[in-house]
Amino acid sequence: AQKITQTQPGMFVQEKEAVTLDCTYDTSDPSYGLFWYKQPSSGEMIFLIYQGSYDQQNATEGRYSLNFQKARKSANLVISASQLGDSAMYFCAMRGAQGAQKLVFGQGTRLTINP
Amino acid sequence: DAGITQSPRYKITETGRQVTLMCHQTWSHSYMFWYRQDLGHGLRLIYYSAAADITDKGEVPDGYVVSRSKTENFPLTLESATRSQTSVYFCASSTGLAGGQETQYFGPGTRLLVL
Repeated sequence: AQKITQTQPGMFVQEKEAVTLDCTYDTSDPSYGLFWYKQPSSGEMIFLIYQGSYDQQNATEGRYSLNFQKARKSANLVISASQLGDSAMYFCAMRGAQGAQKLVFGQGTRLTINP
Repeated sequence: DAGITQSPRYKITETGRQVTLMCHQTWSHSYMFWYRQDLGHGLRLIYYSAAADITDKGEVPDGYVVSRSKTENFPLTLESATRSQTSVYFCASSTGLAGGQETQYFGPGTRLLVL
C-alpha cells in the first residue's frame, strides 16, 4: 500500500525566508509520481510541482523546488523567498504505477508566513 | 472555459436523507475522482471513474454511490446521510495519459453538513 507522511502539522516562517515542507512516502511501485498541492483559505486545490521517480534532476517551478531523495523516500517542497500569499495548507501526494490514476495524500502542513 | 464545477457549493441536510453532489467537467477528461477532506486525514479517495460506465472504489467508499453515464458528469450520492459524512467533498479530473506529469484538476469543493 502507498502512504504519504507529512510530519509538520504547522509551520511559521518570516516573510522572504526560505521554507522546507517535509514529505516522506512509502510504496512498492518502482515507478511513481510525487505531487505538491497548495490549498489557500479559499479552499481550492492548486497544483504546484511534480517529480517522477525516474527523473534525474529535482523538479523546479519558479520559487518552488522539490528536494527529491529517492533512497530516503523523501520529497520535500522548498519555497524560496516566501511571500505572505504563500500562507496556506500544503499537501504532498503520490501516484503509483499500479494505482491507476489515483492519488494518495498526506495529512497536510499549514504554513503561515509572518510579515 | 468552465473547467470543473461542483454543485451545490454548500449543503445542509439531516441524518438519513439522500444527498447528491454534482460534478461537471468541460475538458472531456477520461478520469474523474471524488475525494473527501477531513481534518487530520488530508484528502481520501471515495470513488473514481476511468471512463463512462466504468467506476471503482477508493479508500473510503462505504455509504456512497456513484454513476457515470456521460463523460462530463460524475455525481456522488449519499444514500442515507450520516453525521460522519460531514466533510468537504472535492471532485477532480485528469486525462489519464500514462506517464509524465499528469496532474489532477480539482473542482472548488462542496461543504456538506449532516445534522
